Amino acid sequence: EPEVTQTPSHQVTQMGQEVILRCVPISNHLYFYWYRQILGQKVEFLVSFYNNEISEKSEIFDDQFSVERPDGSNFTLKIRSTKLEDSAMYFCASSTAGRQEDFGEGSWLTVV
Amino acid sequence: QKEVEQNSGPLSVPEGAIASLNCTYSDRGSQSFFWYRQYSGKSPELIMSIYSNGDKEDGRFTAQLNKASQYVSLLIRDSQPSDSATYLCAVNHSGGSYIPTFGRGTSLIVHP
Repeated sequence: EPEVTQTPSHQVTQMGQEVILRCVPISNHLYFYWYRQILGQKVEFLVSFYNNEISEKSEIFDDQFSVERPDGSNFTLKIRSTKLEDSAMYFCASSTAGRQEDFGEGSWLTVV
Repeated sequence: QKEVEQNSGPLSVPEGAIASLNCTYSDRGSQSFFWYRQYSGKSPELIMSIYSNGDKEDGRFTAQLNKASQYVSLLIRDSQPSDSATYLCAVNHSGGSYIPTFGRGTSLIVHP
């Protein structure tokens, strides 16, 4: 069964460093999303992406964040200058339409 | 501030019983409501969506929506130990936005 894959599964980075989290959505999906979940906290929507542009973004998704679909398969989330509070699990998801997203297993980011 | 409230639990039920999970939301204009299941350390999995008042059944799951009371619930019939997980309620903002607001989740434990 097709699945959303994310890399890395876990990354430790120093505060102020740039981080790129990668996702390979399901091949026939057109909508892509990033969420984050700080340990013990609620899931938070970051951004949705369709037709090579951002559809919607939350207040969390400030200028430190960017997304890109550099080729036909990858979907990336870049955090330009990481802060301690960026430590979280980042989930990528994709869907054909509406809200039937398939989630990846997540990338756990630890900022030290 | 759009809020989605859930009792954190844990809710403990015996195997075979009905588990009832509740969620209230603050945005009266919300139109779309979702229940996700999240096993510990794993990504959320969409299990039910509901858009209009009343009940919606899918297998052992029933979602119930009451927009007047700003209340959505999830019933799990014939609960199994494999249903033990955290159940997340999510509500879309009003005005046609996709952006979901998640509750903190209710931990369900089904004991044999």
